[in-house]
Amino acid sequence: DAKTTQPPSMDCAEGRAANLPCNHSTISGNEYVYWYRQIHSQGPQYIIHGLKNNETNEMASLIITEDRKSSTLILPHATLRDTAVYYCIVRGAYSGNTPLVFGKGTRLSVIA
Amino acid sequence: DAGVTQSPTHLIKTRGQQVTLRCSPKSGHDTVSWYQQALGQGPQFIFQYYEEEERQRGNFPDRFSGHQYPNYSSELNVNALLLGDSALYLCASSLELAGGARQETQYFGPGTRLLVL
Repeated sequence: DAKTTQPPSMDCAEGRAANLPCNHSTISGNEYVYWYRQIHSQGPQYIIHGLKNNETNEMASLIITEDRKSSTLILPHATLRDTAVYYCIVRGAYSGNTPLVFGKGTRLSVIA
Repeated sequence: DAGVTQSPTHLIKTRGQQVTLRCSPKSGHDTVSWYQQALGQGPQFIFQYYEEEERQRGNFPDRFSGHQYPNYSSELNVNALLLGDSALYLCASSLELAGGARQETQYFGPGTRLLVL
């Protein structure tokens, strides 16, 4: 079972920041937080991941709380093309290629 | 830099038939994982191949089998197809790195949509 809890859906106005929350209260010290998104009928797209520090790349920012029990994915200026299902995944670091365990994710709708 | 490719994009089969799906990993990657995504659900892990062997397996029956070739490409085979096998089948590739707590990011292909009638 997925170790994360996400709201089933969210709306965001185009051009505004989209803040997608994720709860992972049972996360272990060496487990990473990964974010993927899936645009309708396509394969999941990797966005970002982090362990305990905040991370930023060209797509998004990942803010992880100090106790690591929750995180927020931030899309700074959402566009219509960001409409997708966003998955927050906790992934163990016990071996190199542990499988991804997907939940149901958050369906983000960006509205013009 | 070539991404993960999968073939075919769509496939229609009837119950009891067998199907083979193919995946070419991202350039430089050596590990292939397969996932099944039923309509309205998140992807579910089927199995992972590394060094031409199945290394990890999810909760899927033996009807699901696979293979990895020396060039790291992979196949997913499903025998005795059931209606419930209708799904989007996703391949993800990654690079195995030695030691430590490093995580290897998995990159997904576009998927093969299988319909079983």
